[in-house]
Amino acid sequence: GAVVSQHPSWVICKSGTSVKIECRSLDFQATTMFWYRQFPKQSLMLMATSNEGSKATYEQGVEKDKFLINHASLTLSTLTVTSAHPEDSSFYICSAKTSGRSYNEQFFGPGTRLTVL
Amino acid sequence: LAKTTQPISMDSYEGQEVNITCSHNNIATNDYITWYQQFPSQGPRFIIQGYKTKVTNEVASLFIPADRKSSTLSLPRVSLSDTAVYYCLVLNNTDKLIFGTGTRLQVFP
Repeated sequence: GAVVSQHPSWVICKSGTSVKIECRSLDFQATTMFWYRQFPKQSLMLMATSNEGSKATYEQGVEKDKFLINHASLTLSTLTVTSAHPEDSSFYICSAKTSGRSYNEQFFGPGTRLTVL
Repeated sequence: LAKTTQPISMDSYEGQEVNITCSHNNIATNDYITWYQQFPSQGPRFIIQGYKTKVTNEVASLFIPADRKSSTLSLPRVSLSDTAVYYCLVLNNTDKLIFGTGTRLQVFP
């Protein structure tokens, strides 16, 4: 149980285009989902926290107009990278937490590798 | 959030026991010690969590001394598939996960 999927697993796009990444909790309802970014050989950096039906809370330094997050249902959150540029190329990972679990135990998706040309 | 310090990297051989120590001098009363494992190009995976003394599951053991200012993740008889980055996090049940640099474990045959 507690499986989180992401789609696509990798994407290549041209500079200036927008890319949408989906994060789904397959066998549980995720009251809270999180989005992280990870550059090569670096640690994960939390970008934002999203609760179902409400606006996402962004971490300091993360542009909310560039990284649009929607958490429309208890099993789906989406991250849209708008007007992507090469510096946005990274590994994007989502995680989900159920209402019965602590923040300490999150279930992570497999990640999406974004390459912007 | 309590700051953690752990070795940047460690090497081991298959079949050996690996102990990764994490220092967290400023741990608060409500904080738990949590470890995650991340394989290359994958999302992290929760390994183990503890508050004090010793916790053991099918994957690892976590040893926490009485003062809780440090903890040790113990991986028994590692295999090549245990090569990964291991993150130590110290936080309470309502904190966000803030990952440090982690310990890169390389297991050799």
